Amino acid sequence: DTGVSQNPRHKITKRGQNVTFRCDPISEHNRLYWYRQTLGQGPEFLTYFQNEAQLEKSRLLSDRFSAERPKGSFSTLEIQRTEQGDSAMYLCASSPRTGTEAFFGQGTRLTVV
Amino acid sequence: AQSVTQLGSHVSVSEGALVLLRCNYSSSVPPYLFWYVQYPNQGLQLLLKYTSAATLVKGINGFEAEFKKSETSFHLTKPSAHMSDAAEYFCAVSLGSGGYQKVTFGTGTKLQVIP
Repeated sequence: DTGVSQNPRHKITKRGQNVTFRCDPISEHNRLYWYRQTLGQGPEFLTYFQNEAQLEKSRLLSDRFSAERPKGSFSTLEIQRTEQGDSAMYLCASSPRTGTEAFFGQGTRLTVV
Repeated sequence: AQSVTQLGSHVSVSEGALVLLRCNYSSSVPPYLFWYVQYPNQGLQLLLKYTSAATLVKGINGFEAEFKKSETSFHLTKPSAHMSDAAEYFCAVSLGSGGYQKVTFGTGTKLQVIP
């Protein structure tokens, strides 16, 4: 098991473009989380899935953001019409349903220019 | 709702000195508490966690933390700092039931280790 994998590691995009990030959790982990971390801040919760069901979404997740987890395996996070304020590190984590810790990926750093 | 407050955004210690990073939490229910470490441009690595068992929790790399309900604190300590400990440390809290759920992170403390 190679841990939580996130791709790409870095993404530079022009304002107004759409971007999509992928997260592959640890196999058999049925919970998956997305967080956003801006410079100098702690990670902020965005959304979480149990299997394919999206159980909670933060108010931070505007209409331009959408996350999916088809078939309860990998997950994608899409940002439409990116804005400079979307520049951040996007972190994915996974955990087993009855576990007491989550494992984080290396993150995807988004820069909107 | 849960929250954590980390006192001191930057802490400097000499190599070999005691490391003390402070965290106070707020939670309406018994919490789970965590300390994570983050190196530049990396994800988060779990150092240790409190899940309502022993109040003194030992983690990786010689770190430990003590859950003090009366003080609503979960401070992180290490007896002797090493250069490799220089990183950013985050305290986090989540609901203490139903397995791991979303966590609320503090704003982080950057630890500088001076040779």
